[in-house]
Amino acid sequence: QKEVEQDPGPLSVPEGAIVSLNCTYSNSAFQYFMWYRQYSRKGPELLMYTYSSGNKEDGRFTAQVDKSSKYISLFIRDSQPSDSATYLCAMSAKTGNTGKLIFGQGTTLQVKP
Amino acid sequence: KAGVTQTPRYLIKTRGQQVTLSCSPISGHRSVSWYQQTPGQGLQFLFEYFSETQRNKGNFPGRFSGRQFSNSRSEMNVSTLELGDSALYLCASNLGGTGGNEQYFGPGTRLTVT
Repeated sequence: QKEVEQDPGPLSVPEGAIVSLNCTYSNSAFQYFMWYRQYSRKGPELLMYTYSSGNKEDGRFTAQVDKSSKYISLFIRDSQPSDSATYLCAMSAKTGNTGKLIFGQGTTLQVKP
Repeated sequence: KAGVTQTPRYLIKTRGQQVTLSCSPISGHRSVSWYQQTPGQGLQFLFEYFSETQRNKGNFPGRFSGRQFSNSRSEMNVSTLELGDSALYLCASNLGGTGGNEQYFGPGTRLTVT
């Protein structure tokens, strides 16, 4: 079993829809959670960064972390065709002394005009 | 502020050869991590360097090695290339120290081994 599980999709939605992307994990030591967006043939771009449980909002994006359920989510409101990309969740256990992120497999999202 | 840069962007090598990839982190960032991305395995952590010292290592064979220079720039080397080493190699930088763990990625080097 992988430490981080993410449904690879693909997920196809109409423009303007609310998108929900999710990851589950097994390592209770994870306390830093990130969402990255990766366009084809590009490097991952950091979208959201959260520490421990709770919600964080940035524009059309909302990240939620539920450590009790070992479950994280990314919501995209009013989705746009430019949001079409692969979304990767990532997490790590320790602060400051490790660059080791554990990634999910990524969910491919297509937003249709 | 300039982002993470990686050179070269594309590389074609033959089995058995070796290759060196280069990464320049965001100015002020002292930690550099390397990842391998393939369609089958996704993004996998190779190693991390901080203040010229390797402080974390993933589960890759010894053919994969790296180093970091005093200006925080980093290189990774793969010796005796195998077909399975074909991948996108990504470098990420981070402030390091006791800061958070946000990793900022470069565009990657796409390595093809024939």
